Amino acid sequence: QSVLTQPPSVSGAPGQRVTISCTGSNSNIGAGYDVHWYQQLPGTAPKLLIYGNSNRPTGVPDRFSGTKSGTSASLAITGLQAEDEADYYCQSYDSSLSGSVFGGGTKLTVL
Amino acid sequence: EVQLVESGGGLVQPGGSLRLSRLSCAASGFTFSSYWMSWVRQAPGKGLEWVANINQAGTEKYYVDSVKGRFTISRDNARNSLYLQMNSLRAEDTAVYYCARDLRWRGSYYNDYWGQGTLVTVSS
Repeated sequence: QSVLTQPPSVSGAPGQRVTISCTGSNSNIGAGYDVHWYQQLPGTAPKLLIYGNSNRPTGVPDRFSGTKSGTSASLAITGLQAEDEADYYCQSYDSSLSGSVFGGGTKLTVL
Repeated sequence: EVQLVESGGGLVQPGGSLRLSRLSCAASGFTFSSYWMSWVRQAPGKGLEWVANINQAGTEKYYVDSVKGRFTISRDNARNSLYLQMNSLRAEDTAVYYCARDLRWRGSYYNDYWGQGTLVTVSS
């Protein structure tokens, strides 16, 4: 059981918008620690997608955006493309565990 | 170009702590001694799990509870290398182990670069 909770799967048609939620608690997201997001394509290492709740590293398309509110965060992907089909993970810091925590991951299927 | 290259994975027997059980990560393309570093693992078909991280000087180390007392993270800044010594291995330690660079961010941190991973299989 992961400390951060994500839906196991989401899906959408090309061109559509999807969101992936990440729910934590008062020892991580709710304590004010920021949320970061990663994309993992099949058979590859994770890639940083969003850092500090809503910041995109250089090279990440603006179709990807992140928000945070209270004990939750969300990743939104607009204009879905086939190449977006991947696993997505949220990450934060947990003060009671003194370490980084990940969500269980969400598999995005582009229909 | 930042590169992180892990090595040292393979098949280990349960309870093993052989030389094979030390993972290495060779870093290049950045000033290794200026960054915190992490190990993150991923069991087959499962999600990501942070394992441990270490500060620039190697004087601060943090571990996930499940590996405390069994795994030791260390680094050699002169060799631009990160290590993970794994003892008393269990079947549940079977995973791809990733080396990742930490960037501190407002009390937390994120991982901006990852290696390709090395597979550790614990089985008899």
